[in-house]
Amino acid sequence: DTEVTQTPKHLVMGMTNKKSLKCEQHMGHRAMYWYKQKAKKPPELMFVYSYEKLSINESVPSRFSPECPNSSLLNLHLHALQPEDSALYLCASSQGTTIYNEQFFGPGTRLTVL
Amino acid sequence: DQQVKQNSPSLSVQEGRISILNCDYTNSMFDYFLWYKKYPAEGPTFLISISSIKDKNEDGRFTVFLNKSAKHLSLHIVPSQPGDSAVYFCAASGAQGAQKLVFGQGTRLTINP
Repeated sequence: DTEVTQTPKHLVMGMTNKKSLKCEQHMGHRAMYWYKQKAKKPPELMFVYSYEKLSINESVPSRFSPECPNSSLLNLHLHALQPEDSALYLCASSQGTTIYNEQFFGPGTRLTVL
Repeated sequence: DQQVKQNSPSLSVQEGRISILNCDYTNSMFDYFLWYKKYPAEGPTFLISISSIKDKNEDGRFTVFLNKSAKHLSLHIVPSQPGDSAVYFCAASGAQGAQKLVFGQGTRLTINP
C-alpha cells in the first residue's frame, strides 16, 4: 500500500460548524504533514508531526487543531472557520523526518466555508 | 516574499520534443530541491530530487539540473508524452529546518500531439 488517503473528498461547512478532516497512510512513515492550497497558489505547510508529536506549527490560527492519534492517522479538527479558509487541504507523509525524505501526498479535501 | 519562483505559469510543447521547466530560488540556505507533478483532483506526486552537492540527477526521461551560483534549477523531460500534461511544482528545503518544503507557484505543462 503506497498511498495516502484523505476523507472526505469535499466538505461544505458553515462558520459555526465543527468538522474534522482525516488522513491515513499504511507505509510505516514516521512524519505526517498538513498543507493548505488556495486556487492557483502553491501548497503551504501548516503542521508537521514527527513520531506522532507535533514538530512544526507554521503559526496557524487556533481554529485549526491537528491531532495524530497513532502513526498511521492524522486528523485536522476545524472550528469557527472563516470563508477565507476555503481551500484544498492536502495531507502528506514521509519515511523519515529529514529533508531528504520525499513526501507522498494524498488527493486532498476541498473545503468550502459558507 | 516568494523564495521559490516559477516564472512561467504555462508551457506548451509538442509530443516527442523536450520540455524544460525552470525554477529560481532566493535563499542560499536551501540545499535540497524536488519536483512534483500534479494532475487535477489529485495530490502532488514526487518526480525527482537533487541535493545541492550535485549539479545533475537523471531518472529515465526526467533530468534535473542545478546551478547553485545562479540559484536556478530546471527539469528536462525527453521525450515529452501526452501523459506528462500536468502542473509541475518546484520545491526546496533546508533553509528553515528539516521537513519544511517551500513550493513555487507551479507551471502548467501541456503536451500537444
